This record gives sequence, C-alpha cells and structure tokens, in this order.
Amino acid sequence: DTEVTQTPKHLVMGMTNKKSLKCEQHMGHRAMYWYKQKAKKPPELMFVYSYEKLSINESVPSRFSPECPNSSLLNLHLHALQPEDSALYLCASSQETGWGEKLFFGSGTQLSVL
Amino acid sequence: QKEVEQNSGPLSVPEGAIASLNCTYSDRGSQSFFWYRQYSGKSPELIMFIYSNGDKEDGRFTAQLNKASQYVSLLIRDSQPSDSATYLCAARNTGGFKTIFGAGTRLFVKA
Repeated sequence: DTEVTQTPKHLVMGMTNKKSLKCEQHMGHRAMYWYKQKAKKPPELMFVYSYEKLSINESVPSRFSPECPNSSLLNLHLHALQPEDSALYLCASSQETGWGEKLFFGSGTQLSVL
Repeated sequence: QKEVEQNSGPLSVPEGAIASLNCTYSDRGSQSFFWYRQYSGKSPELIMFIYSNGDKEDGRFTAQLNKASQYVSLLIRDSQPSDSATYLCAARNTGGFKTIFGAGTRLFVKA
C-alpha cells in the first residue's frame, strides 16, 4: 500500500464552523506533513510531525490545529477560518525526516471558506 | 528566506521534442532535490530525485544537478501530451524536516 488517503476531497464551510481534515497512511512512515496550496502557487509547509510529535509549526494561525493520534493518522482541525484560507490542503508522509526523504502526497482537500 | 526558483512558463514544446526545465536554489545547505509533477486540480507526484552532482536517468526523464552552480534541471525526452502539467522543483537541506518548493513551471506539449 503506497497511498496517502485524505478526506474529505471537498469541503465548504462558513467562518463560524468547526471542521476537521483527515489523513491516513499505512506505509509505516514516521513523518507526516500538512501543506497549503493556493491556485498557481507552490505548496507551503504548515506543520511537520515526527514520531507523532509536532516538530515544526511554520507560524500557522491558531485557527488551524493539527493532531497526530497515532503513527498512521493526521488530522487538521479548523475553526473560525477566513475566506483567504480557501486553498488545497495537502497531507504528505515520508519514511523519516532526514535530508534525503521523499514526500508522498494525498489527493488533497479543496477547502472553500464562505 | 531559503528559496527555490523556477521560470513559471508556460513552456510549450511539440510532441516528441525534448522539454528542458530549470531550477536554481539559494540555500547552499540543500542536499537533496526533487521533481514533482502536478496536474491541474491534483496533488504533486514525485517523478525524480537526485542527491549527487551529475545526471540521473529514469526512462524518459533525466535529472541534472550542479551544486557549485546551485542548479537543477529536468529533461523530458520524447515529450507526450500527457506530460502537460506543472513541474515543481523542490529541495531539502541537511537539517531535513522541510521540503521547500519552487513556484513550478507549466509545460504544454502540443500534439
């Protein structure tokens, strides 16, 4: 199994809503990532988890709250988002966090904030 | 800010031609380099990675790295319309953890 599975594929939410994005991998990878990608822009790193612990937070606003319940699962909890947060949210995993690691991406969640 | 830079294109080549995509990076600590292909509305897919100076070939793809010039390139031989996509160059430095992406080059292969 070489897949990273993300749900939902599409999400529309109001600014007062609370929602969660989910990501799952069964490749035995110990590092998991959240990236945000706006249209015609490159993916931007948000968070890195290594061995289920948050290792990097790229100064992401607190309305985004990551969670790693176990080594296979990664969630991103969303609350009080702004319209400018509308983007493609990508989950990725890698074997470890070293310099040579290759990222495997899920299919993404297209988020629209109204 | 550590950057990876690419010409955004679009780069247009006829079917069967060689497409040449280029990338430069500013962080001399970068150790590994990746090319991802991204179709519109889809997620990035790894197609090549290179760690050492020189060329690395995989099928129709050749990645080239010159660390002295801080330059990475991707050659696609016998380009096909299905190669039409955005190609993202990415780098990871000795500290690991972060993969930094360039803005991507849009490639169009005309049938």
